[in-house]
Amino acid sequence: DAGVIQSPRHEVTEMGQEVTLRCKPISGHDYLFWYRQTMMRGLELLIYFNNNVPIDDSGMPEDRFSAKMPNASFSTLKIQPSEPRDSAVYFCASSSGASGRAGADTQYFGPGTRLTVL
Amino acid sequence: GQNIDQPTEMTATEGAIVQINCTYQTSGFNGLFWYQQHAGEAPTFLSYNVLDGLEEKGRFSSFLSRSKGYSYLLLKELQMKDSASYLCAVRAGGSYIPTFGRGTSLIVHP
Repeated sequence: DAGVIQSPRHEVTEMGQEVTLRCKPISGHDYLFWYRQTMMRGLELLIYFNNNVPIDDSGMPEDRFSAKMPNASFSTLKIQPSEPRDSAVYFCASSSGASGRAGADTQYFGPGTRLTVL
Repeated sequence: GQNIDQPTEMTATEGAIVQINCTYQTSGFNGLFWYQQHAGEAPTFLSYNVLDGLEEKGRFSSFLSRSKGYSYLLLKELQMKDSASYLCAVRAGGSYIPTFGRGTSLIVHP
């Protein structure tokens, strides 16, 4: 398997512009997570999906952020309008579900999208 | 919520042994993960503990004491490539989703 795929790997945009980050989870995984990582706050969970349904979006910082998962193999995280404080590395991760076995519960992370908002 | 504490940074010598500690305060503990993250890369899974005791996997071992809210990651025969950030993540309160600590940046020098 190719692992979790994210695009773009790097994004530089100007304040006020719309940004869309994309993720393709590992085939067969039914959980998908979006994280944001900064030096100041570490790795923060933004939202996660189970079987394409958003389960918990309490980590989404504000209404400017939205996420969708139209099918089992694709998810997007959108920021509109973007602000300089949104600059961070955004990771997508997937896992196979709560089977009780460590190997099945492990989250596999994509390479991340480094977002810079000027 | 959960409080997860790790040292911010540690240094060690190539070939030595280093222990990275993680303490947590939570209710309904349901598992602890360790991840490794090299600079500019994604976190990768190292170990998982849900019962007390030591889990050994090659040069890396992870220990858990649920009564003390304490875990450590032990790295033996350190290599330069072990220089990375090590993230402790705790799952609790009936949630499937682990909460990550801030991570410990380990620097291995010759």
